Amino acid sequence: AQSVTQPDIHITVSEGASLELRCNYSYGATPYLFWYVQSPGQGLQLLLKYFSGDTLVQGIKGFEAEFKRSQSSFNLRKPSVHWSDAAEYFCAVGRELDDYKLSFGAGTTVTVRA
Amino acid sequence: SAVISQKPSRDICQRGTSLTIQCQVDSQVTMMFWYRQQPGQSLTLIATANQGSEATYESGFVIDKFPISRPNLTFSTLTVSNMSPEDSSIYLCSVQEGTGELFFGEGSRLTVL
Repeated sequence: AQSVTQPDIHITVSEGASLELRCNYSYGATPYLFWYVQSPGQGLQLLLKYFSGDTLVQGIKGFEAEFKRSQSSFNLRKPSVHWSDAAEYFCAVGRELDDYKLSFGAGTTVTVRA
Repeated sequence: SAVISQKPSRDICQRGTSLTIQCQVDSQVTMMFWYRQQPGQSLTLIATANQGSEATYESGFVIDKFPISRPNLTFSTLTVSNMSPEDSSIYLCSVQEGTGELFFGEGSRLTVL
């Protein structure tokens, strides 16, 4: 079965600084990878996804992620963080394109300080 | 992407009672899913709800505790029965679009006293 590890439970970053959230997955074949964001009191919103092709994926809200097969990683980045980016971020992996049984990481909480 | 509405958004319930959570989607979908997010934890799939058939439950979840209805292609309910404080969680409804990603409702935050 696939699994996801998000090593950082909590990250604090200054507004305007860059942000990188780590995600490592365990799966034998090519995974389908997702990043979701959950703002306080909200449901999950899809930021971006990787299925195949270009390993650098652009998402919404200025986020991007890079798939590195050799490192089994799918790290999320943003060059300049805004206060509204304070939220919890979840990495998820699926086995197949229509595999709804995504495995979610434990999440990383991002705090943005002024 | 599908727009998913959940009711109630939050509730506080007494131990031993039951609560039904509704999920409405603005388009017809074959499969709907219910997830649980316990405090400070990640998401766990409870069950898959297909229209016209019994829900399929994941390991650790049973129909008596979490009965699910799926009367049509745009609506589903999840009932949390005989609640205890351990059932305090966010319950999320989701659907999968053709492109493979899951879309989620805003969740129903349940507190059991």
